Amino acid sequence: DGGITQSPKYLFRKEGQNVTLSCEQNLNHDAMYWYRQDPGQGLRLIYYSQIVNDFQKGDIAEGYSVSREKKESFPLTVTSAQKNPTAFYLCASSIGTITDTQYFGPGTRLTVL
Amino acid sequence: QKEVEQNSGPLSVPEGAIASLNCTYSDRGSQSFFWYRQYSGKSPELIMFIYSNGDKEDGRFTAQLNKASQYVSLLIRDSQPSDSATYLCAVSDNTDKLIFGTGTRLQVFP
Repeated sequence: DGGITQSPKYLFRKEGQNVTLSCEQNLNHDAMYWYRQDPGQGLRLIYYSQIVNDFQKGDIAEGYSVSREKKESFPLTVTSAQKNPTAFYLCASSIGTITDTQYFGPGTRLTVL
Repeated sequence: QKEVEQNSGPLSVPEGAIASLNCTYSDRGSQSFFWYRQYSGKSPELIMFIYSNGDKEDGRFTAQLNKASQYVSLLIRDSQPSDSATYLCAVSDNTDKLIFGTGTRLQVFP
């Protein structure tokens, strides 16, 4: 089965903690993305990567970090510097560029306690 | 700042009717247009994409693009209660990011 997996499905974080969200794809896609979705708002781009060992900031990168050491994996770390991290986090991938069709993983819902 | 606008709804239609969802965008250079469906608590799933002016049909779904007027629409024929969801419009150009609208909530009642 080809697809995008995200884990965990639900994540609870205490204030001051860093947490890492996992995203894996077996679609052989070059490009991967992280979005954040808040109620009543559209998806906002956090980071994206179009090739291994390279990534770019999106519109709301502050307080987040990523790595792209393997084509299949694009983990997102939510650091303690992110002031309001409670949100639904979505990972996506596409064949090549950011304008190609993007396919989404099931998402991780992060709640700060 | 590039924007994608959608009416938040809810748009309520009876079962069997045609649902018409609209989206306008600000960047005249936009090239690619996508419609995603998102059920409550779930991730977006692609319904259709369209690149050229005119209509594109796929089953009960028709995407319509008018670049001169800068709008893209999605028609759902023979609407079913299972179509009840939020529909996200996304727009990109060839040099920038995919911009998502806030979505239109569709309710199909029996």
